[in-house]
Amino acid sequence: NAGVTQTPKFQVLKTGQSMTLQCAQDMNHNSMYWYRQDPGMGLRLIYYSASEGTTDKGEVPNGYNVSRLNKREFSLRLESAAPSQTSVYFCASSPGPQETQYFGPGTRLLVL
Amino acid sequence: GEDVEQSLFLSVREGDSSVINCTYTDSSSTYLYWYKQEPGAGLQLLTYIFSNMDMKQDQRLTVLLNKKDKHLSLRIADTQTGDSAIYFCAAKGRGSTLGRLYFGRGTQLTVWP
Repeated sequence: NAGVTQTPKFQVLKTGQSMTLQCAQDMNHNSMYWYRQDPGMGLRLIYYSASEGTTDKGEVPNGYNVSRLNKREFSLRLESAAPSQTSVYFCASSPGPQETQYFGPGTRLLVL
Repeated sequence: GEDVEQSLFLSVREGDSSVINCTYTDSSSTYLYWYKQEPGAGLQLLTYIFSNMDMKQDQRLTVLLNKKDKHLSLRIADTQTGDSAIYFCAAKGRGSTLGRLYFGRGTQLTVWP
């Protein structure tokens, strides 16, 4: 099992460009999450999907959209990137919303 | 939401014990977690404790929970240089279908030979 995988590992964008961060899990988990991590900060929840077909906002959803494509995949889209979105983005999954979350390796995004 | 606080830095000598402390504000938190992050990597689940437990031991790791003071600690026995990393405390609330995790800012543990 690969666990939780994320692509790309690194990305540089110019302000105003769009991109989609991909996340997939092969653990047959129902719930998936997107977090961002900024220097000296803990992780903050952007969006989550408690189960296939549902998505909800977390603490910091502004500037982002998500798609739960199927049970395995949960993507995060930046429609018009801003320098404030420079961060490390982590995807996580759990068997259910109340259960332990397992994290991917992260995507490092720089917006110029 | 919940506030989770940790000290930012800890330095220990190889072979000594490390103790990383964490406080949280929501007394109804159900599970409390410790994650480890090595440079350039994702978060690795180390251990967790359910709120009705006082202590959990797993090889070199001991977790202590003082529910009255809302204080959690992680003790690493015989700390090795490979233990150098950032350690995150996280609390899971109840009353939500999400079971949202609230993270502290992380404690940078440095182990020197």
